[in-house]
Amino acid sequence: DGGITQSPKYLFRKEGQNVTLSCEQNLNHDAMYWYRQDPGQGLRLIYYSQIVNDFQKGDIAEGYSVSREKKESFPLTVTSAQKNPTAFYLCASMAGQGTGDIQYFGAGTRLSVL
Amino acid sequence: EDQVTQSPEALRLQEGESSSLNCSYTVSGLRGLFWYRQDPGKGPEFLFTLYSAGEEKEKERLKATLTKKESFLHITAPKPEDSATYLCAVRGSSNTGKLIFGQGTTLQVKP
Repeated sequence: DGGITQSPKYLFRKEGQNVTLSCEQNLNHDAMYWYRQDPGQGLRLIYYSQIVNDFQKGDIAEGYSVSREKKESFPLTVTSAQKNPTAFYLCASMAGQGTGDIQYFGAGTRLSVL
Repeated sequence: EDQVTQSPEALRLQEGESSSLNCSYTVSGLRGLFWYRQDPGKGPEFLFTLYSAGEEKEKERLKATLTKKESFLHITAPKPEDSATYLCAVRGSSNTGKLIFGQGTTLQVKP
């Protein structure tokens, strides 16, 4: 059953703590993306990766970090430097260029601050 | 700067009452306009991609159209199960695959 799996579904962060959100895909897609969604706002791009071992900052990368050691995995770490981390985080993947450019999304992780 | 604006922010319809959602955009070199459906607490679900002005696509009660400045999502005879937030996004000419999203239109269809 192909798709994008995000875990956990809910996550709580204590002040000063780093937390990591998992994103795994078995679609054999080259590109992966992390978005943040806040109420009443559109999705905003945090980081993206078009190939393994390479990633780029998006529009709101401050306070976040990522890695792309495997094609299937693109974890996002929310660091203590991110002062307002409460949001719904969405991971997406896309097949290579010229294949319709459709991004498919996981079910999301809701992060809250304790 | 690439930008997407959706209207209205919220829409309430009676079951069977047809209407349209609007997505206005400015982008340098449109490479695709995307419509997604998002249910509460879930990830967006892909509906349509439109690539050039004049293009139309249909799926059940939904029909998406595209002009050089905007896209419409027409909903014909909606049912309560069509209630969701509908997101519009555009991809410009960069090679990053980055999508620019509007803030969404939340549709409620009452029986």
